[in-house]
Amino acid sequence: DIQMTQSPSSLSASVGDRVTITCRASQSISTYLNWYQQKPGKAPELLIYRASSLESGVPSKFSGSGSGTDFALTISSLQPEDFATYYCQQSYSTPTFGGGTKVEIK
Amino acid sequence: QITLKESGPTLVKPTQTLTLACTFSGFSLNTRGVGVGWFRQPPGKALEWLALIYWDDDKRSPPSLKSRLTITKDTSKNQVVLKMTNMDPVDTATYYCAHRRDCGGDCFDYWGQGSLVTVSS
Repeated sequence: DIQMTQSPSSLSASVGDRVTITCRASQSISTYLNWYQQKPGKAPELLIYRASSLESGVPSKFSGSGSGTDFALTISSLQPEDFATYYCQQSYSTPTFGGGTKVEIK
Repeated sequence: QITLKESGPTLVKPTQTLTLACTFSGFSLNTRGVGVGWFRQPPGKALEWLALIYWDDDKRSPPSLKSRLTITKDTSKNQVVLKMTNMDPVDTATYYCAHRRDCGGDCFDYWGQGSLVTVSS
């Protein structure tokens, strides 16, 4: 299995902040990396696929970057609706998820 | 419009077999590239992938759970069924199914609302 490690596991930020979450794969996965947002009590939603492609309907404040083993999700200006938990998922082989990053209000 | 919905018991006893159904609409599991995946999330913990079935009936699951899981599809009913044997309290979780899209790999772009399953005697 390919292991996915996210950091930090949680962060506190203010409305308007630029936030970056990182995800590291245990081996190279090219750009086979997806990002999801999950709000409490809700199912995950796909934000970014293939490391940097924005899913249809997702605001452009979300962006993804990286290749190989190191990836990042950036939210350009945090808004109240962005406070949630974010997961990375590799799609290079059978799916595995990172442990999640909870974004909380400072 | 793609929708998925999980159904099954909310409470199972240890050692029992869990059977969950995912009933979907808005797509066909006969369409090339399409699949349905199952996932779970214990309370307060991360997502875990359980199983995936593709349009061509190819089936995948993680080695750690492979011996306990069975995934099948019924395209006439637009349904995917997951069976998990020998349930244990650590299997208490919300179980989700999701539509798989070919994005060069496995992307899950539509999800069910989830079904909380508690394992307790």
